Parts: sequence; C-alpha cells; structure tokens
Amino acid sequence: DGGITQSPKYLFRKEGQNVTLSCEQNLNHDAMYWYRQDPGQGLRLIYYSQIVNDFQKGDIAEGYSVSREKKESFPLTVTSAQKNPTAFYLCASSIFSYEQYFGPGTRLTVT
Amino acid sequence: QKEVEQNSGPLSVPEGAIASLNCTYSDRVSQSFFWYRQYSGKSPELIMSIYSNGDKEDGRFTAQLNKASQYVSLLIRDSQPSDSATYLCAVNGGSSASKIIFGSGTRLSIRP
Repeated sequence: DGGITQSPKYLFRKEGQNVTLSCEQNLNHDAMYWYRQDPGQGLRLIYYSQIVNDFQKGDIAEGYSVSREKKESFPLTVTSAQKNPTAFYLCASSIFSYEQYFGPGTRLTVT
Repeated sequence: QKEVEQNSGPLSVPEGAIASLNCTYSDRVSQSFFWYRQYSGKSPELIMSIYSNGDKEDGRFTAQLNKASQYVSLLIRDSQPSDSATYLCAVNGGSSASKIIFGSGTRLSIRP
C-alpha cells in the first residue's frame, strides 16, 4: 500500500525536551512538507523540502529543525526553543507543487 | 489581506440540499486549486483539484474556478450527514509555486 506514515500518533513530553516526529512516504514523491495545526485553526507551514539534502523554512520555522537525507523520510524535531509546541503536526508529500497528500498526523502534548 | 480567504462558518445545510463553499485568493497568477475535507481530529483528505476556468465534477462534488474574479467554490449535491466536516481551500502556483497556501477552512454541518 502506498501512503504516508507518521509516528507516533500521540506523543507526550516534558517542557525543555527535544522531540523528533517521524514522517515516511513510499509514494516516490519529491516534495515533503510539515504543517502545524492548532485547535480551530488552519494549517501553518513549518518546513518543506523539494529534493533530498535541501529544505526551506516555512512561515513558522523558529524552534523547529528538519533533515532530508532520504527521499522517503522527512523527520521534524521540535526543540526546547519552541515556545508553544503542543499542537497537531501534519506531514504531507507531493510530486513537486501538485496535490499534497497528508499522513495521519501526530498529536504532541508538552507539559 | 489573507492570501486565501474562506468564511469560517459554521454553514448549516439540510440533508439532501446543495452545500456551497466559497474561497477567494489574492495571488493573481496562481495556477492550481484544491479542496480538502478534514474531519474533526483527522488529517486533511484531498477531494478535488482544479486547474482551469469552469466547472469540474466528481460524483456529488463540483469545483468551480473563476480566475478573473480570483474565486473558487465547491458545491456538494445531495448533502449527507457524513459530509459534515471542515473544508479547506488551497492554492498554489504564482509567486509561491513551491508551496500550497491553505485557507482557514469552512465548517460545514449537515442537519438531518
């Protein structure tokens, strides 16, 4: 089955800890994206990558970091510098700038 | 002005009626337009893409695009309770060709 997987589904961390969210796709898509969604709000772009070993900041990159060492994988690290990390994190992929397909999301709670 | 604007709703429509969802965008050279459906607590699901002016139909869904007016809409015929969700309009191309810009979504409620 082709698709995008994100793990874990739920993640709990203490304030001050870094945490890495996983995103894997087997759709052979070149581009991958990370979004954040807060309750009742739209999607905000954190980082995106159009090719391996290259990525660009989105609208709210502060406090986050990414890597793109493999075409299939685009992990997101939420660092302790992110002031309000509790949110629903969504990973997506696409063939260049065409339709984006989303993974199931990771709900991160930091206390 | 937001790049992609949608009425947040909620839009309440009786079962069996036509639901009409609207979206405007600011980048005049945008080329690609998408509608996503998002159920509460779930990730967005692509339901329609449209690239040229006019109507595009897929089952009960019709997307309409008017580039001159910078307007895109989604019609849902024979609305069902299962259509109750938030609908996100998304636009890419133009000056931000590598990204999709999402609207904040319209919450649709189908009442039996």
